Amino acid sequence: EVQLVESGGGLVQPGGSLRLSCAASGFTFSNYWMYWVRQAPVKGLEWVARIKVDGSEEHYVDSVKGRFTISRDNAKNSLFLQMNSLRAEDTAVYYCARSQRSAFDMWGQGTMVTVSS
Amino acid sequence: DIVMTQSPLSLPVTPGEPASISCTSDQSLLHSNGNNFLAWYLQKPGQSPQLLIYLGSNRASGVPDRFSGSGSGTDFTLKISRVEAEDVGVYYCMQALQIPITFGQGTRLEIK
Repeated sequence: EVQLVESGGGLVQPGGSLRLSCAASGFTFSNYWMYWVRQAPVKGLEWVARIKVDGSEEHYVDSVKGRFTISRDNAKNSLFLQMNSLRAEDTAVYYCARSQRSAFDMWGQGTMVTVSS
Repeated sequence: DIVMTQSPLSLPVTPGEPASISCTSDQSLLHSNGNNFLAWYLQKPGQSPQLLIYLGSNRASGVPDRFSGSGSGTDFTLKISRVEAEDVGVYYCMQALQIPITFGQGTRLEIK
């Protein structure tokens, strides 16, 4: 089955860290740019980060630069998001997404990250 | 950053009637290759977003032909020819021409 499955979300205190994972299956993961997109409670969608097919390029939204790191393991068909120095405003559902023809044609089910003391 | 603006933000529609959502960008989304880097998504209640339209006017795989996308440059429209109950949810436009990728605020379609 072609799918993306996120994991690793949870409750973390401000200033803490969390590592999200996204397991891909059913397609050739190494052929696609991959993305993280988040959605704060009752809010819209916000692009967070992206990584090139071979991991040689990364880009981030300004609000997470220096705190978040996107990475991938093509041998294990996995995408990651290391989140450090977490803030309350990082509270959101985090989706991994596949990019094709400049659009996100596949999304995971999302994993909830809550930053609160 | 490219700012994406949708209207209306709320759209009540009678089943069987048409619906239209506008999306404007403050910079042209027309790439030198002739494609508009604009996509439309629908997020149904309790679900992840799903792709409807890519490159401005191309329906994604499995999307019913009652959905159509049009426009170029800075002005885009998503049209639903005959709304069905399953079309309820929040519709987002998204530009992928420049980083950061940005989304519109969303348009909530509800059935009257």
